[in-house]
Amino acid sequence: QLQLQESGPGLVKPSETLSLACTVSGGSMTTTGYYWGWIRQPPGKGLEWIGSVHHSGNTYYNPSLRSRVSMSVDTSKREFSLKLNSVTAADTAVYYCAKTQSWFDSWGQGTLVTVSS
Amino acid sequence: QTVVTQEPSFSVSPGETVTLTCGLTSGSVSSSYYPSWYQQTPGHSPRTLIYNTNTRSSGVPDRFSGSILGSKAALTITGAQADDESDYYCLLYMGSGLWVLGGGTKVTVL
Repeated sequence: QLQLQESGPGLVKPSETLSLACTVSGGSMTTTGYYWGWIRQPPGKGLEWIGSVHHSGNTYYNPSLRSRVSMSVDTSKREFSLKLNSVTAADTAVYYCAKTQSWFDSWGQGTLVTVSS
Repeated sequence: QTVVTQEPSFSVSPGETVTLTCGLTSGSVSSSYYPSWYQQTPGHSPRTLIYNTNTRSSGVPDRFSGSILGSKAALTITGAQADDESDYYCLLYMGSGLWVLGGGTKVTVL
């Protein structure tokens, strides 16, 4: 069964870059139609899709975050990553990774990232 | 900008049926948007309930069902149980690598 696990710093300073990785185990990253996505949830608020990356390297971003987001995938390491630059307190959230098709499944457990000096 | 709409909250008694909806501020939702539904309880990751409009994810009880009702996607809980008390989110695939989540519906069972 596919499992995903987020990793990265839990505290990031304002104006710096948030960097997270998601490690995939228990299945292939290159199956046709699979994308690998990031979703976040600020404390007490709803879910927001950040973006998705295909194993080919093609990326798709939420238009509201596109100017600050980059994603990449490294299938040899079985991981994909998220970078969000110029962070502010509004970027404080639980960040989830998930396998993406036309829907999201195989969610990671989530990791809380706090933006604070 | 595409906005996906959901009812902010619903209250249901145990054993009753509740239908949550997922719409668009502009236009109608159809199966072409591959609507999916997610259940989340506090402190937990979302759980996939329904995908591709009406396909239940593995292990999801059959009291959860998905459909298109009029111009919206719908999630129906038939015979609500206490542990169905959760937040429910819908997701639409808009095409061209763009996914949009609704704001969520908080369901209270009392």
